[in-house]
Amino acid sequence: QQPVQSPQAVILREGEDAVINCSSSKALYSVHWYRQKHGEAPVFLMILLKGGEQKGHEKISASFNEKKQQSSLYLTASQLSYSGTYFCGTGIAGNMLTFGGGTRLMVKP
Amino acid sequence: EAQVTQNPRYLITVTGKKLTVTCSQNMNHEYMSWYRQDPGLGLRQIYYSMNVEVTDKGDVPEGYKVSRKEKRNFPLILESPSPNQTSLYFCASSIGGAVNEQFFGPGTRLTVL
Repeated sequence: QQPVQSPQAVILREGEDAVINCSSSKALYSVHWYRQKHGEAPVFLMILLKGGEQKGHEKISASFNEKKQQSSLYLTASQLSYSGTYFCGTGIAGNMLTFGGGTRLMVKP
Repeated sequence: EAQVTQNPRYLITVTGKKLTVTCSQNMNHEYMSWYRQDPGLGLRQIYYSMNVEVTDKGDVPEGYKVSRKEKRNFPLILESPSPNQTSLYFCASSIGGAVNEQFFGPGTRLTVL
């Protein structure tokens, strides 16, 4: 079952902050975040592993609540380049990944 | 340049005509995966492979086949395509497994008439 992302879309002004949430009904081993710009392939942002390890982006932070099976991506002081669709992917076991439906983020000048 | 390549990038075909979408990576990655992307549904995993001759089903494997005879290549085969397989397809690879950064190919837009 796909994780649920919220909000589905958000519009920001440059410099504003945003939070994107990802929620799963299953116990998670890992949460993955990717950003996709229009007409391009998804690009890796961050991985959060059960137990607290994080791998990823310097300017974007995220949290992983293992008990609630939730993750949040924090975009602070947003820039125009942050525009795109953000996907969370959840790993339950093995090497299968299930992605959510995406959150469209638009940053305006 | 480290990259994942897919061919063709665009394909229009008819129902029932077998086709293969190729995927190749030059990073010596063990893990390779295929996804399809449809509006509102995000990325859905079709198949993945941990290494040569090791493949497993993802969330939506019906109607697709894959093979991993060489480490660098992971072709996606549609034996009898149907219109509901019209989609944007991405191949991805990573070192070690799914818990590491995945590098995506440029995508293949497939239309089945």
